[in-house]
Amino acid sequence: AQSVAQPEDQVNVAEGNPLTVKCTYSVSGNPYLFWYVQYPNRGLQFLLKYITGDNLVKGSYGFEAEFNKSQTSFHLKKPSALVSDSALYFCAVRQYNFNKFYFGSGTKLNVKP
Amino acid sequence: DAGVIQSPRHEVTEMGQEVTLRCKPISGHDYLFWYRQTMMRGLELLIYFNNNVPIDDSGMPEDRFSAKMPNASFSTLKIQPSEPRDSAVYFCASTQGAVNEQFFGPGTRLTVL
Repeated sequence: AQSVAQPEDQVNVAEGNPLTVKCTYSVSGNPYLFWYVQYPNRGLQFLLKYITGDNLVKGSYGFEAEFNKSQTSFHLKKPSALVSDSALYFCAVRQYNFNKFYFGSGTKLNVKP
Repeated sequence: DAGVIQSPRHEVTEMGQEVTLRCKPISGHDYLFWYRQTMMRGLELLIYFNNNVPIDDSGMPEDRFSAKMPNASFSTLKIQPSEPRDSAVYFCASTQGAVNEQFFGPGTRLTVL
């Protein structure tokens, strides 16, 4: 069965420090992996995706993610957090040749000044 | 492009009433997804369409829920009769092709009294 796990409900980090939001997945075959961000009372916004190629993917707002096939992980990272990065972050996986997205439970990122 | 459009943005109704949520996907997108988001259950996929045809409705909670896509630019999600436990934010999302990210609408916040 296809699934996505975000092991941390909440991540707290100080402004200016690096941040990591964790994601692991389980899918048959090659995965398509995505990160989305949701601000209060808004829809989800696409941040970045991994389809194939370089394991380090760069996305919007300075975020990046590293695909690790052996650990089946796709952690979201940013070198220097901003207070405005505070939001809910979702990891999602789409199985190759299938069009159903599986979303994680979300991780709330709190960046404190 | 205006993005994915949903209406209404807020709906308050009484138990037993019929509720219809509407979605206009991004022009040219061939997949449309309906999700429900609650604090308790997170983001749940209800149903998705490909080229206006329902592909997977396994997430539709009960027969009270139905969805249609009469053409490429319009979809509805109907709840009849509505119940308080249907209170949630309902999102519509669309995408084009097999490898691309989903674009989410702003959501409809449904409150059933």
